[in-house]
Amino acid sequence: QVQLKESGPGLVQPSQTLSLTCTVSGLSLTSNSVSWIRQPPGKGLEWMGVIWSNGGTDYNSAIKSRLSISRDTSKSQVFLKMNSLQTEDTAMYFCAGTTGYVMDAWGQGASVTVSS
Amino acid sequence: DIQMTQSPSVLSASVGDRVTLSCKASQNINKNLDWYQQKLGEAPKLLIYFTNNLQTGIPSRFSGSGSGTDYTLTISSLQPEDVATYYCYQYNSGTWTFGGGTKLELK
Repeated sequence: QVQLKESGPGLVQPSQTLSLTCTVSGLSLTSNSVSWIRQPPGKGLEWMGVIWSNGGTDYNSAIKSRLSISRDTSKSQVFLKMNSLQTEDTAMYFCAGTTGYVMDAWGQGASVTVSS
Repeated sequence: DIQMTQSPSVLSASVGDRVTLSCKASQNINKNLDWYQQKLGEAPKLLIYFTNNLQTGIPSRFSGSGSGTDYTLTISSLQPEDVATYYCYQYNSGTWTFGGGTKLELK
C-alpha cells in the first residue's frame, strides 16, 4: 500500500524559508516521481513542482526562483524548500506520488501558516 | 502557461441526476487531462486520468470525455457521497495547471 506523509513546521515567519519533508512507503523513489501541490485556505489547487524518478526536477514558473525539490532515496524522503515566504504562501501543502504525469496517491497534507 | 476554466463554479443537483462538469483549456492539451475529487477536509483523489480512463476503485458512474480544448466529467447518477469539489488538471506543457474547481452540492 502506497502512503505519503508530509511533515514540517506549522508556522513560518515572513521572509524565512519553508522546509517540508514527504516520507513515502510502498513505492520506490527511483521508479516513481513525487509532486508537490499547495492549496491556500478556501481556494483551489496549485501545482508547485515535481522530482522525477531519475532525480530531475520541474517547477511552476511562477515560483521557480524560490523553490527547490530534492530527495534522499535511502530514506524514502522528498524535500521541499521555498524561500522568501510571504503571507500569501499560507496554505496546505500536499505531496503526491506521480506515475508518469498522473498524481495517483496523495498525502494528507501539512498546514503552513506564514505569520510573525 | 495554459489556463484551465471550469464551469459552473457551483452546481446544485438531486440524487439520481445526471451531472456534467466542464473544463476548457486556453489551448489544445492533447487529452493530457485528469480529474480530481476533493471532499471537505480531505486530500484530492484521482478519478479519471488521460481524459477518459477510470482510476482503479472509482465507481463506474464517473466518466470523462473530450479532446482539444474542451473536456467533460460526467456522473451518470449522482449519489450523496459525490458531494465535493472537482478539479480538472492539465499536464500537456509548461507549468501544469488546475482549473478553479466546480463545487457540487445536493439540491
